[in-house]
Amino acid sequence: DAMVIQNPRYQVTQFGKPVTLSCSQTLNHNVMYWYQQKSSQAPKLLFHYYDKDFNNEADTPDNFQSRRPNTSFCFLDIRSPGLGDAAMYLCATSRRDTDTQYFGPGTRLTVL
Amino acid sequence: GEDVEQSLFLSVREGDSSVINCTYTDSSSTYLYWYKQEPGAGLQLLTYIFSNMDMKQDQRLTVLLNKKDKHLSLRIADTQTGDSAIYFCAERRAPGGFKTIFGAGTRLFVKA
Repeated sequence: DAMVIQNPRYQVTQFGKPVTLSCSQTLNHNVMYWYQQKSSQAPKLLFHYYDKDFNNEADTPDNFQSRRPNTSFCFLDIRSPGLGDAAMYLCATSRRDTDTQYFGPGTRLTVL
Repeated sequence: GEDVEQSLFLSVREGDSSVINCTYTDSSSTYLYWYKQEPGAGLQLLTYIFSNMDMKQDQRLTVLLNKKDKHLSLRIADTQTGDSAIYFCAERRAPGGFKTIFGAGTRLFVKA
């Protein structure tokens, strides 16, 4: 059974058109993370939630926002996607901040 | 610095052993991980090692940690074509435990 689910798997949007990516988990983990991964690069942490506490990385652009309405779901909102935002977006969860992260399959975002 | 470094490519013949190497910089690292990423997919946790261990074996996988040299390796015995993927080394740092730093990944090619 899938434990970290991301929807959609592929998303195409137009330059400047807002887009929302979804992540859900059945693990009941406290922490949820969003990463951006560009081709042939390491995943880059954008932000994470520990329960309802939001933690933004210092270099995450303001264009990226996140919401976590409940334990199971977390959303990544890109307010005005640019061509440079085309990437794979990975969601991960962990039980606590000290614990191993488990990743979803990712959403590949294309910006036209 | 923050870098976790890996060689970019490795090519082996089917049935041979593969050894993927990684160096990290932070001596306060608590956990070190190996993740596997197949094309178009998320990161799959393969194995991890605590920083107070020097070896961990799990079926075909052997992880060696040299803490003095900050060197981590992943050995895959009897490499199969299904092992072709990108392998990411990652370290989890303490204090400030949320931070997991990934290497850029090693692309493993397995020739039949």
